Amino acid sequence: KNQVEQSPQSLIILEGKNCTLQCNYTVSPFSNLRWYKQDTGRGPVSLTIMTFSENTKSNGRYTATLDADTKQSSLHITASQLSDSASYICVVSGGYNKLIFGAGTRLAVHP
Amino acid sequence: EAGVAQSPRYKIIEKRQSVAFWCNPISGHATLYWYQQILGQGPKLLIQFQNNGVVDDSQLPKDRFSAERLKGVDSTLKIQPAKLEDSAVYLCASSLGEFEQYFGPGTRLTVT
Repeated sequence: KNQVEQSPQSLIILEGKNCTLQCNYTVSPFSNLRWYKQDTGRGPVSLTIMTFSENTKSNGRYTATLDADTKQSSLHITASQLSDSASYICVVSGGYNKLIFGAGTRLAVHP
Repeated sequence: EAGVAQSPRYKIIEKRQSVAFWCNPISGHATLYWYQQILGQGPKLLIQFQNNGVVDDSQLPKDRFSAERLKGVDSTLKIQPAKLEDSAVYLCASSLGEFEQYFGPGTRLTVT
């Protein structure tokens, strides 16, 4: 069964600190892996997209890694800001843009 | 470029009533998606259109949900009759074929 599991479910950190979110998947065939940021009351916005051959990709303070052998990905946030408070969703594409979504990690950044 | 537009943003109805949501995708995007996102969960695909044809509606509860895409542009999603468990955010997204999906702000539905 195609699944995407994320951990932790929720996380609280202090402003300025770093954090890492985890994603494990069992999706076949695999096309690409995406990380989305979803602010409360808004639709998801793409942060990174990685194909099978890519093992790291950065977007500002966000860095995603992919290990296609172990089917694991992580999203590292550096020097967190209050505006990083959101849900972060790991999404795996199984072909022709059919997306399998994780449940998300809810991140709260406190001053 | 303008993003995906959805309306209404919020809707409160009683169970057994009907409701309709509207989506206007990004201009030129051939593929349109409707997702249901229950609180605390990731979005679940309800239906995928390629132009005005249905590509995937395997998870659409067809006894109460229906969707159409007029002339391959705008789309409406209807629920009739609504149940309490339909309370969720309904997200519309569009893409250029297999490229990245762009999401609208969603419609938050509360069924009482």
